[in-house]
Amino acid sequence: GNSVTQMEGPVTLSEEAFLTINCTYTATGYPSLFWYVQYPGEGLQLLLKATKADDKGSNKGFEATYRKETTSFHLEKGSVQVSDSAVYFCALSAESGDYKLSFGAGTTVTVRA
Amino acid sequence: DVKVTQSSRYLVKRTGEKVFLECVQDMDHENMFWYRQDPGLGLRLIYFSYDVKMKEKGDIPEGYSVSREKKERFSLILESASTNQTSMYLCASSLGRGNYNEQFFGPGTRLTVL
Repeated sequence: GNSVTQMEGPVTLSEEAFLTINCTYTATGYPSLFWYVQYPGEGLQLLLKATKADDKGSNKGFEATYRKETTSFHLEKGSVQVSDSAVYFCALSAESGDYKLSFGAGTTVTVRA
Repeated sequence: DVKVTQSSRYLVKRTGEKVFLECVQDMDHENMFWYRQDPGLGLRLIYFSYDVKMKEKGDIPEGYSVSREKKERFSLILESASTNQTSMYLCASSLGRGNYNEQFFGPGTRLTVL
């Protein structure tokens, strides 16, 4: 079946530090890959996505590249801010098109001033 | 601005009660989903629906049922609430067919079953 594994947290960083959250997946064919973010007290919102191999998704200074050869979609940001404190979820939607998302366990990131 | 709303942010119920969680979306989306979110487990799909009056089981449907009588509304029902159903419940919707479509989430309902 489809599954997503992301690095366990929590992760605590200082402002302006570099952030990487690892995500690997198991799926047949070519799934679409997503990063969602959940700010405190809110629902999830899409951060970025990539729908085919070698695509790079980017938004709000975050980037992730769809690597088919390593089945990975690692999230990176070069200089984090306190406002980036949130829970980050990696997710995939299978190529078979049943519209479901399979989520990783989530990584809690705290950025200190 | 797209919007998914859920009927309650916080809910406290007693064991054995019948519980209704309501979700409404204003984007004319075909697909709607119910998840539960638990620490360390991420989001797990309970049920989803890709059309009015249609429903499909997700990964953890036991103890739950759903109803979709209108396109914009998707209800989650706990027939007889139990303490292990204490959780955060998230509703989401997405447009049409295609695995690349974004899901839009509501703010969640934190349910406590005593």
